[in-house]
Amino acid sequence: QKEVEQNSGPLSVPEGAIASLNCTYSDRGSQSFFWYRQYSGKSPELIMFIYSNGDKEDGRFTAQLNKASQYVSLLIRDSQPSDSATYLCAVILNTGNQFYFGTGTSLTVIP
Amino acid sequence: DVKVTQSSRYLVKRTGEKVFLECVQDMDHENMFWYRQDPGLGLRLIYFSYDVKMKEKGDIPEGYSVSREKKERFSLILESASTNQTSMYLCASTSGWAPGDEKLFFGSGTQLSVL
Repeated sequence: QKEVEQNSGPLSVPEGAIASLNCTYSDRGSQSFFWYRQYSGKSPELIMFIYSNGDKEDGRFTAQLNKASQYVSLLIRDSQPSDSATYLCAVILNTGNQFYFGTGTSLTVIP
Repeated sequence: DVKVTQSSRYLVKRTGEKVFLECVQDMDHENMFWYRQDPGLGLRLIYFSYDVKMKEKGDIPEGYSVSREKKERFSLILESASTNQTSMYLCASTSGWAPGDEKLFFGSGTQLSVL
């Protein structure tokens, strides 16, 4: 089992809709969770991080963490064509000194 | 603003050549990383360093070595380039492992082609 798993997609949503991206992780003791956005041909950039169970909101983005289910998600409200990118989930495992990345979910927002 | 600079955006090398990829960060970060990114395989860790002259193998170190002589600079070396090392190479850094410190900042990447 991989440390971090994501659906590769592609996920397509119409402009203005909510995009929901999901990630599961294997290490129950993991403490730190991140979402990175990567535009085609560019490097990943951090958009959200979350440490506690529940929701964390930042503008149109909401990260959700459920440690009991070992599940972290990213919701993008009012999706825009500029949100079209690959979204990478990253987790720091309980061992503490490495980031583990999922393979990413490709999102396309259709105007 | 945090800045991680990789020396080359595109690089073309021949099989068997020794290749150096350079990375410099200006944030006084302790930890630096080298990843490669391939379609369908995601980001895979090659090596990381948590201090000057310290290094740790990641998941795929074979065929690579690293050097960290100064805190701000982390070099990736392909001892004898092979075609299966054609990839996007990403350098990254972070200041520490305490919550709030572990945000990973990436360089712009080097697309290496080995012919």
